[in-house]
Amino acid sequence: DIQMTQSPSSVSASVGDRVTITCRASQRMSSWLLAWYQQKPGKAPKVLIYGASILQSGVPSRFSGSGSGTDFTLTISSLQPEDFATYFCQQADSFPPTFGGGTKVEIK
Amino acid sequence: QVQLQESGPGLVKPSETLSLTCTVSGDSLNNYFWSWIRQPAGKGLEWIGRIYTSGSTNYNPSLKSRVTMSVDTSKIQFSLKLSSVTAADTAVYYCARDQGSGHGAFDIWGQGTMVTVSS
Repeated sequence: DIQMTQSPSSVSASVGDRVTITCRASQRMSSWLLAWYQQKPGKAPKVLIYGASILQSGVPSRFSGSGSGTDFTLTISSLQPEDFATYFCQQADSFPPTFGGGTKVEIK
Repeated sequence: QVQLQESGPGLVKPSETLSLTCTVSGDSLNNYFWSWIRQPAGKGLEWIGRIYTSGSTNYNPSLKSRVTMSVDTSKIQFSLKLSSVTAADTAVYYCARDQGSGHGAFDIWGQGTMVTVSS
């Protein structure tokens, strides 16, 4: 299995801040098969980005993704109140698909 | 738009079989993979397995011996059975559309259903 390690596990930030979350894969993988999700309490995850950098339809442009090889990043350029949530990365390059442990973005 | 809805018992006894169904509305099951994913309270996400419209399946090796998935295209439903459950199987179970043959992301999710394993 490819293990996905996210950092930090939690971050405190203010509205308007730039937030960066990192996901490291345990082996090189195709960036086409890396996705990011947002999950709010009591709700299902929602895909934000697939293919490491392609924004899912309807997702605000303040979200962006980048990376290749083993290191991937999700950036929120200007944090909004509705962005306080937990974020997960997920790989589909190696079977079985696996998720990172999550990063909780909290209000400072 | 496409919507998914999980259904099934919220309480299952240890050693028994957990059975859930996911009903798809707004589209057919054709040409997609359909997955089950679970999340214990306060923890991360675990992929359980997927099924294609044809009925072909892939299961997570960690659960393979206990998992069976099936599909009913006439009812636009797919189902999960997990046998010999223990307290460790207590979780929210989600069904999701799986872009497994494309970019591999899960782009549509059900709202999730909580399953507790307890006597």
